[in-house]
Amino acid sequence: AQRVTQPEKLLSVFKGAPVELKCNYSYSGSPELFWYVQYSRQRLQLLLRHISRESIKGFTADLNKGETSFHLKKPFAQEEDSAMYYCALRKSGGSNYKLTFGKGTLLTVNP
Amino acid sequence: EAGVVQSPRYKIIEKKQPVAFWCNPISGHNTLYWYLQNLGQGPELLIRYENEEAVDDSQLPKDRFSAERLKGVDSTLKIQPAELGDSAVYLCASSQGQASDGELFFGEGSRLTVL
Repeated sequence: AQRVTQPEKLLSVFKGAPVELKCNYSYSGSPELFWYVQYSRQRLQLLLRHISRESIKGFTADLNKGETSFHLKKPFAQEEDSAMYYCALRKSGGSNYKLTFGKGTLLTVNP
Repeated sequence: EAGVVQSPRYKIIEKKQPVAFWCNPISGHNTLYWYLQNLGQGPELLIRYENEEAVDDSQLPKDRFSAERLKGVDSTLKIQPAELGDSAVYLCASSQGQASDGELFFGEGSRLTVL
């Protein structure tokens, strides 16, 4: 079974401070990991995917298979980063494209 | 482009009553998903359609939940009868093909309150 754990329900930082949202996963095969974000009054949307190795809105995430983690990081948080962040996992390749989501972390960036 | 459209946005019913949610996916997206999001939880897949075929409905409680996507475009999710524990947000999402890039496009959700 695949499982995604986001240990922090709430995370509060000040503007300009570094931020790290933790995500750990449990999966016996080769996973694909994603971060989805939901800003206030907006719909859930994809932020980034590990296979792209890209930086979106200053955020990066590295897949660490040894630690089974996919933490989301940003060196200098901005107030507009305040949102709900969900880590998600699915099986790599194959015919199963089911996304399993974590419970989410609510990030608040204070001025 | 309006994105994925869901209705109603909010619904309040008494327990044992029926309720239905409607979803119109992004044009050209042949894969449609219904997710359940309980308070404080992440979305959980209920059912996935590829065109009009339900290819994964293993998490759909079939005793009271049903879904259809008759023409491979719009979809409806029905609960009959509703129970108190069904209070949640019902999210619809769509993707091109099997979302090889992992990107699902979500609607704004339908928030159900069962009294």
